[in-house]
Amino acid sequence: AQSVAQPEDQVNVAEGNPLTVKCTYSVSGNPYLFWYVQYPNRGLQFLLKYITGDNLVKGSYGFEAEFNKSQTSFHLKKPSALVSDSALYFCAVSANDYKLSFGAGTTVTVRA
Amino acid sequence: KAGVTQTPRYLIKTRGQQVTLSCSPISGHRSVSWYQQTPGQGLQFLFEYFSETQRNKGNFPGRFSGRQFSNSRSEMNVSTLELGDSALYLCASRGLKDSPLHFGNGTRLTVT
Repeated sequence: AQSVAQPEDQVNVAEGNPLTVKCTYSVSGNPYLFWYVQYPNRGLQFLLKYITGDNLVKGSYGFEAEFNKSQTSFHLKKPSALVSDSALYFCAVSANDYKLSFGAGTTVTVRA
Repeated sequence: KAGVTQTPRYLIKTRGQQVTLSCSPISGHRSVSWYQQTPGQGLQFLFEYFSETQRNKGNFPGRFSGRQFSNSRSEMNVSTLELGDSALYLCASRGLKDSPLHFGNGTRLTVT
């Protein structure tokens, strides 16, 4: 079985401040890890993924995530948040790269 | 390159009816997955098709079925609709192994 936990339902930050969205996972074997973002009435947009290699992954729109195997975490970060980053963020894990299990999502609000 | 296209965007059906949703993947993508998104259950995997074959299936009742055509387009069918089937149904396609899922904007199904 595979699962994802996003411990925070909401994250609020001021524009220009660092943004962190937390994610921990559980999976048998090596994980495939993903972050997606969803805007209202839209599908999910891919931000970044970790499969193998460097633990620090850089993605779209200035986002990055750090894979930590010992803590089974894959937190999403952005050094300087923008108001336009306000959206719903999903972390996802897979053991075989085609069936994803998603977290419950974290609503990010960036205030001007 | 055109993205994943889902039709229709919105559907209203009554209990007991059936519904068919359509998904056109990104050109060249042979894998198509379907997910159900609801406020209570979040994002749940329905099934995945590759080259017209169902490769994996989630934990949904047999009322939920799908198929994929030779041009990789996919349809999802829900029979004997229940109120609880009201959800956003998302289709996603994928190209080469290890590449991420690309999602459509979804079909919003309301069952009354």
